[in-house]
Order: sequence, then C-alpha cells, then structure tokens
Amino acid sequence: GAVVSQHPSWVICKSGTSVKIECRSLDFQATTMFWYRQFPKQSLMLMATSNEGSKATYEQGVEKDKFLINHASLTLSTLTVTSAHPEDSSFYICSARDQRTGKSEQYFGPGTRLTVT
Amino acid sequence: QKEVEQDPGPLSVPEGAIVSLNCTYSNSAFQYFMWYRQYSRKGPELLMYTYSSGNKEDGRFTAQVDKSSKYISLFIRDSQPSDSATYLCAIERGTGGFKTIFGAGTRLFVKA
Repeated sequence: GAVVSQHPSWVICKSGTSVKIECRSLDFQATTMFWYRQFPKQSLMLMATSNEGSKATYEQGVEKDKFLINHASLTLSTLTVTSAHPEDSSFYICSARDQRTGKSEQYFGPGTRLTVT
Repeated sequence: QKEVEQDPGPLSVPEGAIVSLNCTYSNSAFQYFMWYRQYSRKGPELLMYTYSSGNKEDGRFTAQVDKSSKYISLFIRDSQPSDSATYLCAIERGTGGFKTIFGAGTRLFVKA
C-alpha cells in the first residue's frame, strides 16, 4: 500500500524559532500533497494544497508567510512554521496523492506534534 | 449549513456488536465518499473508498452510500476493542479540484 512518512514525529521549540516538517511519499509519486492541522478531539483542517513544482494554495485564514510550504519533488513536501508561537502548537498531518491516477484516495502521514513553549 | 455533518459521539458499544456510523452531506455534486480511521495521535488511515450508491464490503466493514438521501454509512460487524478509534467520513467533488471535506469524526469505544 501507499506509505507516507513524516519527520519529525514530535518537536518542541521555543517561541520565535522556526520549525520544518518533512512529508515524504515512500512508494509512489505524489503530484499533490496536502497539509492539515488538527486540534485535540477535532477534525482535520486543511491548511494548504501543494502541487509539485508550483506554489502552494492556501486556505482562507491561513497565513502563507507564516506557514511556508515547498513541494520540490514528487516525493517530498516541507512545511516550515516560521516565528512559532504557543498558539501554533498542534498536530500537523500531511497527505499525498498521485493525481495522475485519477483516483481520489489520499494517504496520510503519521502526523507531527508541535509544541511551542 | 456544513457541507458534511457527522455526530462526534462518543459511541460506546460492547465487543461483538454491530456498529453503525453515519454522515450526511448537503451538495449532490459530491461524488466520492471515503471513511478513515484515526487512532489517537496518529494520522488517518483510509478504510473504504466508494463513488457509487449501494454497498461496498471489505472484511468486517461495509460502506453504504445513498446519493438520493445524501447519506453515507459505515458498518462494522463483530466489533473488537481494537476498533476503538475516531472514524472520519470524507467527501469530494468529482470535478473542479480534489479538495476533500472531512466530517468531525465519531469517537468509537468498543468495550471488552
């Protein structure tokens, strides 16, 4: 089956610093990757959609200068939380799909828990 | 009105029970329907994917779609404690992009 990995699985950082989260598709090429945020006991909130080689499309209310997304290859997308603040503490999950197959399934990574102190 | 509605639960059942999880959606343009299972502090795992009305079965899981009523269901037979998780329904349009809309998720507890 399709496997998506995320690194790191958890990270603690100080307020004002930046954190980079990697999302990799291990056994398929991901033309599109999605970044979600999830608060405790809540559903997934789509932050942005990234297509390989092009700029990410951000959802309304998501600051693109704060959450930098790069999708440099068909197997790697990164999310950088810049100048992190405690309110950015959350569970960040990526997902990936190969748009070329015409299928709608997306495969999720295991998530990254970010704690900003 | 939300595009997809899902009762967050929690839903508690005894081991061996048949579990019924449901979602309703508002727009008939949605053509793809999915169910994900999410364990605590893990990413969602795709359980079922369907695009037509009717039933789709996979082991103990059956996904049911009724497009006329805009109603989707997931049935779990012979539920096990290991089925305890949050189940998210998800819907997607067939055209105009592939943005997936998730339900709030139903927390299920299966008691041994």
